[in-house]
Amino acid sequence: AQSVAQPEDQVNVAEGNPLTVKCTYSVSGNPYLFWYVQYPNRGLQFLLKYITGDNLVNGSYGFEAEFNKSQTSFHLKKPSALVSDSALYFCAVRDSTGGYNKLIFGAGTRLAVHP
Amino acid sequence: GAVVSQHPSRVICKSGTSVKIECRSLDFQATTMFWYRQFPKKSLMLMATSNEGSKATYEQGVEKDKFLINHASLTLSTLTVTSAHPEDSSFYICSARTGPRNTEAFFGQGTRLTVV
Repeated sequence: AQSVAQPEDQVNVAEGNPLTVKCTYSVSGNPYLFWYVQYPNRGLQFLLKYITGDNLVNGSYGFEAEFNKSQTSFHLKKPSALVSDSALYFCAVRDSTGGYNKLIFGAGTRLAVHP
Repeated sequence: GAVVSQHPSRVICKSGTSVKIECRSLDFQATTMFWYRQFPKKSLMLMATSNEGSKATYEQGVEKDKFLINHASLTLSTLTVTSAHPEDSSFYICSARTGPRNTEAFFGQGTRLTVV
């Protein structure tokens, strides 16, 4: 079965510093990987995806993610964090079992950016 | 991106009653929608895949008679929590894709259900 793991429950970063939110994956076949962000009591917003091609993927709000096949990782990054980036971040992988292209989510990482 | 609207955003109901949550794709047709449940400080758990014109596909451990899903049109799927109990209190989120080959999903804003 496809799965992703987010090893950190929370990441704390000072505003202006670079941030990294970690994600590792376990898949059979080619991975289709995603990052979503969730603000309190809201649904999820799509940030970026990796399907194929360049290992560095650019997304919304200045976020990017690096696909690393040898380390089976897909870490989310941003060069300079903003307080408004504070939210819950989810890594996800597509699972095509049954033909419905479901998304399987990691446990989530809470990002706290301090002024 | 595409817009998925969920209604209501919050609902409080008494134990034993049923609650219906609607998920609409506003600017696209969605043959498939997905229903998730999110516990506090936890990830999203896929409950079922909703298919227009056919029965929903439920994940293992999800009671299909308790969580009734209807996908009667290409823009609307509903989740009905029947005979709700306090343990059904949760945040329910739906999502949909704009097409069968599109990869990213778009999510509704979620519904906070509280059963008292």
